Amino acid sequence: KAGVTQTPRYLIKTRGQQVTLSCSPISGHRSVSWYQQTPGQGLQFLFEYFSETQRNKGNFPGRFSGRQFSNSRSEMNVSTLELGDSALYLCASSLGGQRGTGELFFGEGSRLTVL
Amino acid sequence: SQKIEQNSEALNIQEGKTATLTCNYTNYSPAYLQWYRQDPGRGPVFLLLIRENEKEKRKERLKVTFDTTLKQSLFHITASQPADSATYLCAPLAHGNLIFGKGTKLSVKP
Repeated sequence: KAGVTQTPRYLIKTRGQQVTLSCSPISGHRSVSWYQQTPGQGLQFLFEYFSETQRNKGNFPGRFSGRQFSNSRSEMNVSTLELGDSALYLCASSLGGQRGTGELFFGEGSRLTVL
Repeated sequence: SQKIEQNSEALNIQEGKTATLTCNYTNYSPAYLQWYRQDPGRGPVFLLLIRENEKEKRKERLKVTFDTTLKQSLFHITASQPADSATYLCAPLAHGNLIFGKGTKLSVKP
């Protein structure tokens, strides 16, 4: 069974640009969650999508947005990039979502560097 | 607001000893708590889940306890091995999503 796939793995952007990250969950998983990981703050919850609906959202500005498609694949977008957005962005899929006590299966992440 | 603290950023132990990692949380009562392992450059990997009505859960050399009175979970690795060296993250459930601690980096020396 294929794991969670995130693309691209690495990318470099400049301030003010925007970026779109993609996540393909494990087949059959309907929930996709996104996290931002930085050395100082650790893993911070961005949002969770379940069956194309945003079910929960973390405390991030509106520049961070996401969506989920009918095949459960998800994308997240960050507009007007700032230096502080440099981080590892992790996607995780699960069967029933975070409310269902199911474990999260993480991808390898997309490492974003903002110059 | 909810707060999760893992006892230390780094823990160094000798091979064969028991590693004990601590996770404390404040201002809420999670229905369950999960532990993950993360290796450098990789995504976290699920290890164990313990519910609020469970005191202890075991899996091979791993043991997790959950004390809802102390608002604390302990994660033990017995007979530790150098291959256990990694960062361990606790993640209690809060308001419908998992809140991760910053992790404890465990180093097991041969």
